[in-house]
Amino acid sequence: GDSVTQMEGPVTLSEEAFLTINCTYTATGYPSLFWYVQYPGEGLQLLLKATKADDKGSNKGFEATYRKETTSFHLEKGSVQVSDSAVYFCALGGGKLIFGQGTELSVKP
Amino acid sequence: NAGVMQNPRHLVRRRGQEARLRCSPMKGHSHVYWYRQLPEEGLKFMVYLQKENIIDESGMPKERFSAEFPKEGPSILRIQQVVRGDSAAYFCASSPEPQDYGYTFGSGTRLTVV
Repeated sequence: GDSVTQMEGPVTLSEEAFLTINCTYTATGYPSLFWYVQYPGEGLQLLLKATKADDKGSNKGFEATYRKETTSFHLEKGSVQVSDSAVYFCALGGGKLIFGQGTELSVKP
Repeated sequence: NAGVMQNPRHLVRRRGQEARLRCSPMKGHSHVYWYRQLPEEGLKFMVYLQKENIIDESGMPKERFSAEFPKEGPSILRIQQVVRGDSAAYFCASSPEPQDYGYTFGSGTRLTVV
C-alpha cells in the first residue's frame, strides 16, 4: 500500500542554518504531496503542497519539489529561525492522507 | 472565520467509560475527517464522513469506536469502554468538498485514559 518515510529526528540546528528534511514515498499513481507543521500542543497546519510531478510548493521560506523519478518531496529552508522549531510531517493522498512519522526540528539561538 | 473547532481540548476518562469527542467543521464545510495520533507517531486516518453518511471508515477499529456527522450539529467520535491504549490525540479536519489539495485541522482532543 501507499506509504511515506521521513528522516528520523530530532534535528537540531543553529539559527540561520540550512534545513533539509527528507521525505520519500511509495504510491500507486501520482498523488498530491504535502508538508504539515505541528507546533507544541496544537493541531497540524498545512505548510505547502504540490499536486503533480515537478511542482514546487513554497511558503514562509520553505520549499519542496515533487520529484517523480526519485519519489521524493524533501523539505528545505535556506535559513531557519527559532520560531521554526516544531514537528514536520510529510503526507500524500487526497481525501485520505497518509502521513510520515514526523521529524522534530529544534532551532537554537 | 472560525476554524475547525474541537472540544474538549483535554479529556480524562477511567478505563471502561465512554469518550465523546466533538468536531465542528469550518462554516460551509460538509466533509469531515478524523485522525488519531499515538505518542511519538504520525497521524493515522480513521474515518471520513459527509453529512449523515460515512464515506470511508477503513481506519476505524472494528469494536468500540463509532463516528457520526448528523445533519445538524457537530461530528462526534465515540469511544466506548475506553482502554489505556486509546490514549492519544484525536484530530479532525474539514473541507467543503472532496479534494486533493489538503485541508485544515482542528487543535485536537487529547484523551487520557487512567
